[in-house]
Amino acid sequence: GNSVTQMEGPVTLSEEAFLTINCTYTATGYPSLFWYVQYPGEGLQLLLKATKADDKGSNKGFEATYRKETTSFHLEKGSVQVSDSAVYFCALRSSNTGKLIFGQGTTLQVKP
Amino acid sequence: SAVISQKPSRDICQRGTSLTIQCQVDSQVTMMFWYRQQPGQSLTLIATANQGSEATYESGFVIDKFPISRPNLTFSTLTVSNMSPEDSSIYLCSVVGNEKLFFGSGTQLSVL
Repeated sequence: GNSVTQMEGPVTLSEEAFLTINCTYTATGYPSLFWYVQYPGEGLQLLLKATKADDKGSNKGFEATYRKETTSFHLEKGSVQVSDSAVYFCALRSSNTGKLIFGQGTTLQVKP
Repeated sequence: SAVISQKPSRDICQRGTSLTIQCQVDSQVTMMFWYRQQPGQSLTLIATANQGSEATYESGFVIDKFPISRPNLTFSTLTVSNMSPEDSSIYLCSVVGNEKLFFGSGTQLSVL
């Protein structure tokens, strides 16, 4: 079945450091891939998405590229801020069923 | 974009009782899903709410525990039946509209 695996957290970085959160997936067909962010005490927000191989999603300085050959969708940001501290969820949406399947989430803590 | 109204936003319930959560969308949507997010965990898909037919449940979830209704293309309910403290969680509805995914604000349920 479809599944998403993220690197375990928490990830602790200093402000302005480079961020990578790894995400790999298993899926049949041609899924769409997403990153969602959940700030403390808030609901889920869509951060970025990519709908086909080699697409790059980007938003708020975050980027992720849909890599079909490595079945990956790693999240990157060149310079993190304290305000980026949150839980980040990688997800895929099945092209067959429309279901959104989430990874386990990775907590990012950015220290000043 | 679809606007989702989910209620109640939170509730505290006694063991053995049931709670019905409502999800109202401001436009007709093709697909509606119900998720659970247990404390400190990722989102887990409970079921797909099908208009005019029985919901499709994921492994580990059954209709007797989580009956779902979807009488039309804009509305769905999820009931958490015979609650126990293990059901304490955030429950979210999600819809697909215009090829995009939207989440309700969630219902935070605490079972004593």
